[in-house]
Amino acid sequence: GAGVSQSPRYKVAKRGQDVALRCDPISGHVSLFWYQQALGQGPEFLTYFQNEAQLDKSGLPSDRFFAERPEGSVSTLKIQRTQQEDSAVYLCASSLALAGGPVSYEQYFGPGTRLTVT
Amino acid sequence: AQKVTQAQTEISVVEKEDVTLDCVYETRDTTYYLFWYKQPPSGELVFLIRRNSFDEQNEISGRYSWNFQKSTSSFNFTITASQVVDSAVYFCALSVTSNYQLIWGAGTKLIIKP
Repeated sequence: GAGVSQSPRYKVAKRGQDVALRCDPISGHVSLFWYQQALGQGPEFLTYFQNEAQLDKSGLPSDRFFAERPEGSVSTLKIQRTQQEDSAVYLCASSLALAGGPVSYEQYFGPGTRLTVT
Repeated sequence: AQKVTQAQTEISVVEKEDVTLDCVYETRDTTYYLFWYKQPPSGELVFLIRRNSFDEQNEISGRYSWNFQKSTSSFNFTITASQVVDSAVYFCALSVTSNYQLIWGAGTKLIIKP
């Protein structure tokens, strides 16, 4: 069974460019999370999907950030007009959603996409 | 509001020593879940353990053990007979069913010297 995959693994963007980061969750995992991890810090929540529904986007830092999961499997995180402060590792995680709720079970993480904005 | 504190920024020990990583959490929810994750130099977060608030039993898995104490709001992680491969950043995290967010500590960087 494949784990969570993310692409690209590394992305260098010039300030002002748009970028799209892809996440392929574990097959059958209903819940999908995006996190941002700055160097030397813990992950910070960005957004959560249950199937195709985006139930929480409170962590998205600005309206330049947009995420979608149109068919309830693959998800894309898009950042428009990138800024230097967007430089970070973007992590995707998936999880089984059971009766205890989507955060009651462990999340399985992808390798991340390291975004560098120059 | 929820919070996780990992006061130890970095710990360095010699191989075969035992080491304990501290985690203190804050929440007013009565139902919550605690997690430990390992992030090796390769960068991928690896799930280690999940514990719910109603289960205070300590757990042992090989050289790893976890001590959950609700009275002190702590969920500490001990590695016995540490090995170089244990070198990584270890994160403690908290979730509550009233929202979707996993609250992370700042992490403890563990260095095991040969």
